[in-house]
Amino acid sequence: GAGVSQSPSNKVTEKGKDVELRCDPISGHTALYWYRQSLGQGLEFLIYFQGNSAPDKSGLPSDRFSAERTGGSVSTLTIQRTQQEDSAVYLCASSLVGVRGNTEAFFGQGTRLTVV
Amino acid sequence: AQTVTQSQPEMSVQEAETVTLSCTYDTSESDYYLFWYKQPPSRQMILVIRQEAYKQQNATENRFSVNFQKAAKSFSLKISDSQLGDAAMYFCAYRSGQGGSEKLVFGKGTKLTVNP
Repeated sequence: GAGVSQSPSNKVTEKGKDVELRCDPISGHTALYWYRQSLGQGLEFLIYFQGNSAPDKSGLPSDRFSAERTGGSVSTLTIQRTQQEDSAVYLCASSLVGVRGNTEAFFGQGTRLTVV
Repeated sequence: AQTVTQSQPEMSVQEAETVTLSCTYDTSESDYYLFWYKQPPSRQMILVIRQEAYKQQNATENRFSVNFQKAAKSFSLKISDSQLGDAAMYFCAYRSGQGGSEKLVFGKGTKLTVNP
């Protein structure tokens, strides 16, 4: 696609339910990142994929959070047993190569998750 | 761990005037990259300008320029001839130049208002 696509744009869920957030990166981009942006805060790193593997998942806040990437393309971020503090905008980004450098990361428009 | 600090939660500027957004960072590394991203209400992060730490020359992109002071660990963004479309959240970000460290570390952002 022309850009990074995320779905859904908005998601309202009840506390305790599981949610899946999807990211479709730019075609050919091997690196994929997930970030969380809480209200009034900067972007908090969650996880980084290079191909289908995740060499850095240090930002996942708890074992309720998991992510996978298949075929070196689409990624899904899953939050189990959602809590109100999980409410945030979840942003996905991709870049051409995941090696050291000033490679630009292209961001999607994010999924706004609201847990009620 | 690296940290990025943006000390101005909000700034305002008159249309056609110049504004400077501040950013400081903390790192023990000598090889790294710095970025300014713009986030309009659409939520999509857009790269404004980037700087390689090994380059002494300040980066410039049209009306946007940076003042990179490596010793002081300062990386401010100057916007000249401000336009209404410049109104957005601006985030300063750091990426390590060490192999394997791919994540961007963001500041909390500065909300820029442009007054007509």
